[in-house]
Amino acid sequence: EIVLTQSPGTLSLSPGERAILSCRASQSVSSSYLAWYQQKPGQAPSLLVYGASRRATGIPDRFSGSGSGTDFTLTISRLEPEDFAVYYCQQSGSSFQAFGQGTTVEMK
Amino acid sequence: QVHLQGSGPGLVKPSQTLSLTCTVSGDSINNGNYYWSWIRQPAGKGLEWIGRMHTSGTTDYNPSLKSRVAISVDTSRNQFSLKLRSVTAADTAVYYCARELVLLWFGESPSAVMDVWGQGNTVAVSS
Repeated sequence: EIVLTQSPGTLSLSPGERAILSCRASQSVSSSYLAWYQQKPGQAPSLLVYGASRRATGIPDRFSGSGSGTDFTLTISRLEPEDFAVYYCQQSGSSFQAFGQGTTVEMK
Repeated sequence: QVHLQGSGPGLVKPSQTLSLTCTVSGDSINNGNYYWSWIRQPAGKGLEWIGRMHTSGTTDYNPSLKSRVAISVDTSRNQFSLKLRSVTAADTAVYYCARELVLLWFGESPSAVMDVWGQGNTVAVSS
């Protein structure tokens, strides 16, 4: 079973700053199988990125995903007020779906 | 536009069975491009995938819950359901239903991502 570890747990930033979120897998994961989700307070998660670097429909280009093997990154180039939320990575390449524990991006 | 609406009791007694239903509108649950899934989230905590079903009959479950979980699909009603047996307080959570889109990759096995989510149903386990 692949375990995903996200860091940092919390990121305190100001609007306009760059956010870099990390997701590390306990064993190598195909980049095809790595996705990112955003969850705002009181809402269901929503898909941001799949295949490690492909933005889901309607996702602005300030969100970008990268990485391979065991290390993956979600970058938000310039934080907008609506981007302050919790972000989860997910591994989806087997019959078991694993989520990381989440990174909270909070306003400084 | 696809919409998922979960429904079911908000309170379940310990040792009983938690039952939730998700109604799909805007698409047929028979669409073979998708799995139909349940995910839960205890208050203030992260996401835990419970399991999924494809209308072909394939089911996959989280190993930690497998002995207590059953997911089924009712194509006539365009609904899918979750049953979780022998619940305890640790099963208190927001339960989300979701659609998993199957992604095909050249030279690799398919993957699936949750591209549509229900609004979430809060279920408390308490006597």
